[in-house]
Amino acid sequence: NAGVMQNPRHLVRRRGQEARLRCSPMKGHSHVYWYRQLPEEGLKFMVYLQKENIIDESGMPKERFSAEFPKEGPSILRIQQVVRGDSAAYFCASSPGLASTGELFFGEGSRLTVL
Amino acid sequence: GESVGLHLPTLSVQEGDNSIINCAYSNSASDYFIWYKQESGKGPQFIIDIRSNMDKRQGQRVTVLLNKTVKHLSLQIAATQPGDSAVYFCAENSKAAGNKLTFGGGTRVLVKP
Repeated sequence: NAGVMQNPRHLVRRRGQEARLRCSPMKGHSHVYWYRQLPEEGLKFMVYLQKENIIDESGMPKERFSAEFPKEGPSILRIQQVVRGDSAAYFCASSPGLASTGELFFGEGSRLTVL
Repeated sequence: GESVGLHLPTLSVQEGDNSIINCAYSNSASDYFIWYKQESGKGPQFIIDIRSNMDKRQGQRVTVLLNKTVKHLSLQIAATQPGDSAVYFCAENSKAAGNKLTFGGGTRVLVKP
């Protein structure tokens, strides 16, 4: 039973380019969360999605960042016109839903480096 | 300008000794508290959780204690092993907030052979 799958694991972009990070949740999970982690820091919540709906995007920057979780296919975190400050590890997590204990299952992360 | 993150507090432990990692949380309405372990270059892994109506829960070699009076959570690891070297994060969860985990700052555990 595959866990949360994220790709790419490592991504290098130049300033001004776009970054797309993909996340396939665990089988049977309909809730996806994106977190960002800077070196030596904790994980910061960005956005919470269910299929075709953004439930909570309170942690997402208002500009350049967007997320989606279409009916078919993986969830995508998109960063337009990347800047050096976007360099971080981006983690996706999934859960079966609100009836669960609250544990989130994390992927191995996508590490974005902006040159 | 470039932002500089805070260095993680570090707990150095002799192999075989017990480790205690502490965490202060902020939301008295949280339903669950969870400890995660993160090894270098990997995603967080679930260790153990505790409901807000409990004060102690034991797992294999790990015990979590919850003190709601002072909003304090601790993780005890018995007979610490080299494989326990990692960064440990506490997280709080509220169903009212959509199961959105809020993470604490983390503690690095270094196990000395």
